[in-house]
Parts: sequence; C-alpha cells; structure tokens
Amino acid sequence: AQSVTQPDIHITVSEGASLELRCNYSYGATPYLFWYVQSPGQGLQLLLKYFSGDTLVQGIKGFEAEFKRSQSSFNLRKPSVHWSDAAEYFCAVGNSGTYKYIFGTGTRLKVLA
Amino acid sequence: DGGITQSPKYLFRKEGQNVTLSCEQNLNHDAMYWYRQDPGQGLRLIYYSQIVNDFQKGDIAEGYSVSREKKESFPLTVTSAQKNPTAFYLCASSTRGTDEQFFGPGTRLTVL
Repeated sequence: AQSVTQPDIHITVSEGASLELRCNYSYGATPYLFWYVQSPGQGLQLLLKYFSGDTLVQGIKGFEAEFKRSQSSFNLRKPSVHWSDAAEYFCAVGNSGTYKYIFGTGTRLKVLA
Repeated sequence: DGGITQSPKYLFRKEGQNVTLSCEQNLNHDAMYWYRQDPGQGLRLIYYSQIVNDFQKGDIAEGYSVSREKKESFPLTVTSAQKNPTAFYLCASSTRGTDEQFFGPGTRLTVL
C-alpha cells in the first residue's frame, strides 16, 4: 500500500541549531515528493519539491531535502533554525497524472530561544 | 495577486444542518481539491476535480458533496450524513501539467 511516514510527531530544537525532519515513503511508481509547512490555523505553503534530476533539492526559507531512492526517504534539513521556523511540516508524495497526494501525519517543530 | 480564497474562516453550525464551504481560485488552474485535516492525522482527500463539470471521490467522500460549474470555483457541502464534521477544511488547486498543489487558508468548521 502507498504510504508516507513521518516518524517524529514532535521535535524541539534550539534556535541556531541544525534540523532534520524525516520522511519515508512507500510508493509503487516513480514518486514526486514535496515538503509543506503550516503555521497554526493557516493553509500549507510549499517549501520544496522533487520531480527528477538532482537528488538534493533547495527550497525556500533556507530549507533543503535529499531524495534517497535506496532508502525510500526524502528528509528535510536546515543548517540553522530560526524561531520563525516553528510550525508543522508535512511530507507528501504524488505521481504524474494521478492528481492525488498522500500526506504524512506531520511533524510539529518547536524552537527554543 | 493570484491565489486561493476560502470563506468563511470560521463556521459554526448546528448538528443536522447542511453547510457549504466556499473555495475560489484565480490561478487559472484546472484541478481543484478538498482536504480534511484533523489533529494527528495529516490531510485526507475528500473530493477532487480535474476539469470543469467533472469530479472524483477521494478517500473520505461519504457525507460530502461538491460541484464544479466554473473553473475558478469548487464549493464543498458538508451534509447532515457526515458523522463527525467538525474539522479544518483545506482547498487546493494545481495545473494539469504539474502536480504542485497550492493551498487556501482553510475553513474551521465546528458543528455544535
């Protein structure tokens, strides 16, 4: 069955520390992969996406993610976290032509001053 | 500015009443989507539409209905048949050529 797993429900980091949010997927076809961020009570904003090509993808707000096919992973990273990064982060997987995403359950990030 | 609008932001209804949530986009996107978000469950697809006058059920369509009479509009009706309608509802849209979805700000529905 197709699925997306975000193993960490909550993560707390200190401001200025590095961050890695994990995402693992199970998907039969070649996946399109996405990371979205959501502030409380708001919609989702796309951070970055991977369709093909270079497996290290750069996104907005200083985030990057690396697609590792052998590990079925698409982890999100940021070298230095800012207090404004506190939010919930969602990984999603899709496929060309299906129009349907599968979302993970999200990781809530807390940033300590 | 191009984007997706959802109204209202907060909606309260009595149990047994139908309610319609609005979603409008001016991005000229062909595809539109409705998701339901509950704490700890991520986003679940209710309905989606690839083109005008056509739509498909998602994973949790029971108790919901939609229409797509105009390209820019995709209203969602939460009917009295939906057993647990209190949730945060998100509308999204995308072009046909890519699968990147753009999201609206959401509507929080509370059924009393």
